[in-house]
Parts: sequence; C-alpha cells; structure tokens
Amino acid sequence: QVQLQESGPGLVKPSETLSLTCTVSGDSISGYYWSWIRQPPGKGLEWIGYIYYSGSTNYNPSLKSRVTISMDTTNNQVSLKLSSVTAADTAVFYCARGISYFIDYWGQGTLVTVSS
Amino acid sequence: SYELTQPPSVSVSPGQTASIACSGDKLGDKYVCWYQQKPGQSPVLVIHEDSKRPSGIPERFSGSNSGNTATLTISGTQAMDEADYYCQAWDSRIHVVFGGGTKLTVL
Repeated sequence: QVQLQESGPGLVKPSETLSLTCTVSGDSISGYYWSWIRQPPGKGLEWIGYIYYSGSTNYNPSLKSRVTISMDTTNNQVSLKLSSVTAADTAVFYCARGISYFIDYWGQGTLVTVSS
Repeated sequence: SYELTQPPSVSVSPGQTASIACSGDKLGDKYVCWYQQKPGQSPVLVIHEDSKRPSGIPERFSGSNSGNTATLTISGTQAMDEADYYCQAWDSRIHVVFGGGTKLTVL
C-alpha cells in the first residue's frame, strides 16, 4: 500500500524559506505526478504545484515566484521549498500522488505555522 | 486565472439525495474529480474523470459534467457522508485547480 509522509519544521519565521520533504513508501515515485497542496486552517485546498517523475514541474501561477519542487528518486522523496513566507502561508501542507487528471493518494498532512 | 465555484453549504435529510454543484467556464471540456474531507483527515477521492468511482467508494456516489457545471450526487445519503467536498479540474493550461469546497450537512 502506498504511503506518503510529510516531514519538516512545524514553525518557520517570517521572510524565511519553508522546506518540507515527502517520503514515499510502498511504490516507486516513477510514473506519477507528485503534488504539494496546502490548506490554511478552516479554509479550502490550494494546489501549490507538481513535479512529474521525468523531472518537469508546474506551479500555481500565484505562488510560482516563491516555489521550488524537486525529487530524489534514489530515496523516493519529493521536496517543497517556499521562500519569503508570511503569516498567510500558515497551513497544513499535503503531499499527494497524481495519476493524469486526479490525485489518488494523500499524505496525512503537516501543519506549518509562520510566526516569529 | 481559472476559477471553480461551489456553494458553501448543502443540507440533506438522511436517505435523501444530495447534489453538490461545481461551476466553471466550459467546465464540461475538462475532467473533474471530487474529494471528500472529514474533520482532521486528509481528502479522499470519491469521483474521478467526471463520473468514475474508485475502488471502495460506495455506489451511492456518482458524478456528471456538462456545459459549465459538474455535479456530485449522493443517493440515499447517510450520516457518515457528512463532510466537506471539493471539486477539482485539470487541463493542460490551468493544470490543477480546486473549488472552494462545500460543507454537506446531514440532518
């Protein structure tokens, strides 16, 4: 069974860079899209971007200037970096696996708070 | 940018049919999927590619998509179906976009 586990600091200071890692187990990361999605407390889902197993990326235009998604096929990991964070970036961040047009597996999510 | 619009809330009595709409410009030309999210949990895919149910999703969940509106229908709604529901569309230009979510209340 495929499992996705997000990890990283739960607290980030304003203006710094948020860094998260998603470790995938139960299957290879090859052949899929790997998305990062966030959900501010009490609000809806927002797609941040994805990386295809080939290495190509696509980002939400509203976040594109601050986002980098990368992958480590050796360790079956996908990473997210979001720079120049503010309090508005406080959210639960999900790693998710995509097949063509939809997401079939989600991680449990990790809450990241931006605060000094 | 492309936007998907959902009603903030829908109420339904147990055993009745719930319909949740998702609207967007020429949405019928894109593939739509639906996710169910219960409090404190990660979203779960309930419909993909407009009307396909993943393995393990009850038959009471169905979907359609035409024109500018996609609809998630839950027949014989049960108390366990109370949750937030999100539509999501994908195409080569917009990539991935989510609707704002609909809170389904079963009362």
